[in-house]
Amino acid sequence: NAGVTQTPKFQVLKTGQSMTLQCAQDMNHNSMYWYRQDPGMGLRLIYYSASEGTTDKGEVPNGYNVSRLNKREFSLRLESAAPSQTSVYFCASKAVSSGANVLTFGAGSRLTVL
Amino acid sequence: QKEVEQDPGPLSVPEGAIVSLNCTYSNSAFQYFMWYRQYSRKGPELLMYTYSSGNKEDGRFTAQVDKSSKYISLFIRDSQPSDSATYLCAMSGDTGRRALTFGSGTRLQVQP
Repeated sequence: NAGVTQTPKFQVLKTGQSMTLQCAQDMNHNSMYWYRQDPGMGLRLIYYSASEGTTDKGEVPNGYNVSRLNKREFSLRLESAAPSQTSVYFCASKAVSSGANVLTFGAGSRLTVL
Repeated sequence: QKEVEQDPGPLSVPEGAIVSLNCTYSNSAFQYFMWYRQYSRKGPELLMYTYSSGNKEDGRFTAQVDKSSKYISLFIRDSQPSDSATYLCAMSGDTGRRALTFGSGTRLQVQP
């Protein structure tokens, strides 16, 4: 029962470098999400995917791209990293329980951009 | 102005105290209200959720929603050091694509 698995857990980049954060879920959920968490800002939605083959922008999409590779996997790419993208990134998948959106989160990926 | 406001704390209480955590919101379309708990360097995990107004109890935890005041609360009875974490409120209007809007979280410390 792994739930949502994110890799890597930690990463340090230099400004302008690129990288991809990987996320996989084994709960057969249709919807998946990428959030970033910054002090005092809470969790802000970057991109989401309501189902395999679809992706949509969230609240803070600039500087990011996503790929919904299949039902299990949803990756987040930083093409040219900037110090403002230093954050903790969380992937989540969604189940609907009694009408409520219930998100299961991964453990997070802590990214520092120098 | 943020859609969901939450006092960041930290809130420090002695073991055994009753803790009250609160959020206010501005979007009257919100119908589902949730509380997530996040331990340091971990992902948030769902504690409980409620629909519309009213109370819901689960063990030592009680969630309360007052839609007329746009105010939600989480009460923790007989608080334990293991309750030390950041508590995030979250809410949504429906089961639509955009999922949840989160508060910024309140950090709670329960002193033994």
